[in-house]
Amino acid sequence: NAGVTQTPKFQVLKTGQSMTLQCAQDMNHEYMSWYRQDPGMGLRLIHYSVGAGITDQGEVPNGYNVSRSTTEDFPLRLLSAAPSQTSVYFCASSYLGGGDTQYFGPGTRLTVL
Amino acid sequence: GDSVTQMEGPVTLSEEAFLTINCTYTATGYPSLFWYVQYPGEGLQLLLKATKADDKGSNKGFEATYRKETTSFHLEKGSVQVSDSAVYFCALRPLYGNKLVFGAGTILRVKS
Repeated sequence: NAGVTQTPKFQVLKTGQSMTLQCAQDMNHEYMSWYRQDPGMGLRLIHYSVGAGITDQGEVPNGYNVSRSTTEDFPLRLLSAAPSQTSVYFCASSYLGGGDTQYFGPGTRLTVL
Repeated sequence: GDSVTQMEGPVTLSEEAFLTINCTYTATGYPSLFWYVQYPGEGLQLLLKATKADDKGSNKGFEATYRKETTSFHLEKGSVQVSDSAVYFCALRPLYGNKLVFGAGTILRVKS
């Protein structure tokens, strides 16, 4: 049981480049989400999904796309990277339901030059 | 909208000192409340949680009580260790849905 895995751990991009951050979970969780962590701002929700084929926007969705073709995978795409997207990105998953624990991946540290 | 406010850090304590990290929230209805911990270079781990008023969450010597009347969920530990040095996040989950709303985080540094 690997839990929530994220790749890559570190990435440096130039402005305008695109890339995909990978997230996978092996706990059969329906709910998956992406957060970004910035100093002094805690974690902010980017996008989330309540099941395969269903995605929705969070608090800060601009500049990011997601899709959910399987229960296990929830990739985050940056179409045209900007320096403002320099951050640490965390993927999380949980069962749907009241009060349940969300499990976080180890994070991807992204720098956009 | 829903929000969480935590005391600003960093908080620097000597080993075996008493720890309090304040957390207050704004939400409609009865959210679930959480404390997450992030050790250096790692992701977030759930430390403890409480799902209804007057519940006390506890884990690894840490405790927090869900106080509806003061909309608070303060984290306490009687005797901190160097290994407790980390960033602590207070979070809420609204009554409906799975989204988490996080506070800004509090850095704790424990010196030997």
